[in-house]
Amino acid sequence: DADVTQTPRNRITKTGKRIMLECSQTKGHDRMYWYRQDPGLGLRLIYYSFDVKDINKGEISDGYSVSRQAQAKFSLSLESAIPNQTALYFCATGMGGRELFFGEGSRLTVL
Amino acid sequence: QQQVKQSPQSLIVQKGGISIINCAYENTAFDYFPWYQQFPGKGPALLIAIRPDVSEKKEGRFTISFNKSAKQFSLHIMDSQPGDSATYFCAASTNAGKSTFGDGTTLTVKP
Repeated sequence: DADVTQTPRNRITKTGKRIMLECSQTKGHDRMYWYRQDPGLGLRLIYYSFDVKDINKGEISDGYSVSRQAQAKFSLSLESAIPNQTALYFCATGMGGRELFFGEGSRLTVL
Repeated sequence: QQQVKQSPQSLIVQKGGISIINCAYENTAFDYFPWYQQFPGKGPALLIAIRPDVSEKKEGRFTISFNKSAKQFSLHIMDSQPGDSATYFCAASTNAGKSTFGDGTTLTVKP
């Protein structure tokens, strides 16, 4: 089993729908992150959490929300999806945050 | 303001050649510089990393060169192989546990 598991791996939805992407980890790391990858734009940080009670906005948090349900679970929600949120989303974990361990990604298409 | 600039965007190298990817940063608070390798359909995976008190780090065919005064670092892949074909991301992190990524370089190694 993968250390960082993302579900779903692929999702197609329509504009205005609420979407949740889930992430769970077995690495025992305290820190969890959500990144968005777009072609030519690298990886941009959406939200990050250093523990269950600590949630922080990243550089592109508008239109997104997160929930840290447990040390091992960190979910990303799009309350009302729009087409420019079509992207590849990655969850990552890290103990000190300097080296990250990524899931295999969730490809989201918003029509 | 892009804090980590990566070049080139794409790179084609013959098998056995040397691949060189460059990154530059602005924020002097960065104190850890990892490189990640991403294959299609997979999440980025840590490849090699360096701290700024070291000018070079080598692991097998992969070498990071670091120039603190110029605020630049680079990844060299010696004896490049077709299996090295992937997207490479440089990153820079602070002791606050946040990582900033370059835009990525797509490397193609031709047999």
